[in-house]
Amino acid sequence: GNSVTQMEGPVTLSEEAFLTINCTYTATGYPSLFWYVQYPGEGLQLLLKATKADDKGSNKGFEATYRKETTSFHLEKGSVQVSDSAVYFCALSGGNKLVFGAGTILRVKS
Amino acid sequence: NAGVTQTPKFRVLKTGQSMTLLCAQDMNHEYMYWYRQDPGMGLRLIHYSVGEGTTAKGEVPDGYNVSRLKKQNFLLGLESAAPSQTSVYFCASNMATRDTGELFFGEGSRLTVL
Repeated sequence: GNSVTQMEGPVTLSEEAFLTINCTYTATGYPSLFWYVQYPGEGLQLLLKATKADDKGSNKGFEATYRKETTSFHLEKGSVQVSDSAVYFCALSGGNKLVFGAGTILRVKS
Repeated sequence: NAGVTQTPKFRVLKTGQSMTLLCAQDMNHEYMYWYRQDPGMGLRLIHYSVGEGTTAKGEVPDGYNVSRLKKQNFLLGLESAAPSQTSVYFCASNMATRDTGELFFGEGSRLTVL
């Protein structure tokens, strides 16, 4: 079945550091891929998405590229801020529903 | 602009008690979902609905029941609560995962079963 594997956290960075959160997937067919973000005390919200191979999703300085050959969708940001501290979830679409990874906690120190 | 609203936001139950979580959306979405979130396990799908009057099982449906009598509401019921059901529950909705995959989430309902 479909599944998503994310790097374990927490990831702790200093402000302005470079961020990478790894995500790999297993799926039948050609799913769409997503990154969701959850700020403390809130529900999840969509950060970015990519619907086909080699697409790059981007939003708020975050980027991720849909790599079919490596079945990956790694999240990157060139310079993180304290306000980026949150839990990040990788997800893929399958049928009528999304399958989520376990989530990666990001902590950014000033 | 309410979006997805969950009630209640917090609840403490004793083992064996029953309760219902209500999810309401005002975006005319066809699809609605109930997830539970547990540390280290991400979000796991409990049940979902692809339209009024329909429901389907997700990944972890045991111990839960759902109903979608009105398009805007999706109810999650626990008939006999167990400590293993202590979790944060999230409702979400969207038009169709095939087209956008963008789920709109409520703020969550924290349930503790003693």
